[in-house]
Amino acid sequence: DIQMTQSPSLLSASVGDRVTINCKASQNINKYLNWYQQKLGEAPKLLIYNTNNLQTGIPSRFSGSGSGTDYTLTISSLQPEDFGTYFCFQHNSWPLTFGSGTKLEIK
Amino acid sequence: EVQLVESGGGLVQPGRSMKLSCAASGFTFSNYGMAWVRQAPTKGLEWVATISYDGSSTYYRDSVKGRFTISRDNAKSTLYLQMNSLRSEDTATYYCTREPVDYWGQGVMVTVSS
Repeated sequence: DIQMTQSPSLLSASVGDRVTINCKASQNINKYLNWYQQKLGEAPKLLIYNTNNLQTGIPSRFSGSGSGTDYTLTISSLQPEDFGTYFCFQHNSWPLTFGSGTKLEIK
Repeated sequence: EVQLVESGGGLVQPGRSMKLSCAASGFTFSNYGMAWVRQAPTKGLEWVATISYDGSSTYYRDSVKGRFTISRDNAKSTLYLQMNSLRSEDTATYYCTREPVDYWGQGVMVTVSS
């Protein structure tokens, strides 16, 4: 199975900050990497698909990058509504696997 | 607008069965693979199973293989998850998702307890 190691697990940042969340796969996942945001009591919402493609309706302050085993989600200027938990997800090979999540708190 | 609405959850005893349904609308259901993803209380996300657009291929995580069956009825735009021999560790919110896990339903809670 491909292990997805996500870091940090907890992140506290201020409005306007540039924030990065990392995900490292245990083997090459060929850019088949999605990022999701989940708020308490809600279903996850897709932000970025296949490493760097912004999902329709998602603000442009969200971006993704990476290749091989290393991937990054960047929020260029943090907004109050960006709090929540962020998950990475590889869909390159079975079984599909998620990262353990990064809880983002707004200072 | 893509909508996925799950139903069929609730409380079930260990060893018993339960069937989840997911009614899809707002897109051509028969063109997309579909999947179930679950989340145990206060835990992370776990992929459960995927079915191809035409139902010809299915994939499962090891812990549910032989106990769970994913299926679909394209005429009814509905996805299913038949869960047999349920265990306490299957307790979770189950989400119906469209491949490649872009849209999600609101989730349905399954609690396995005596």
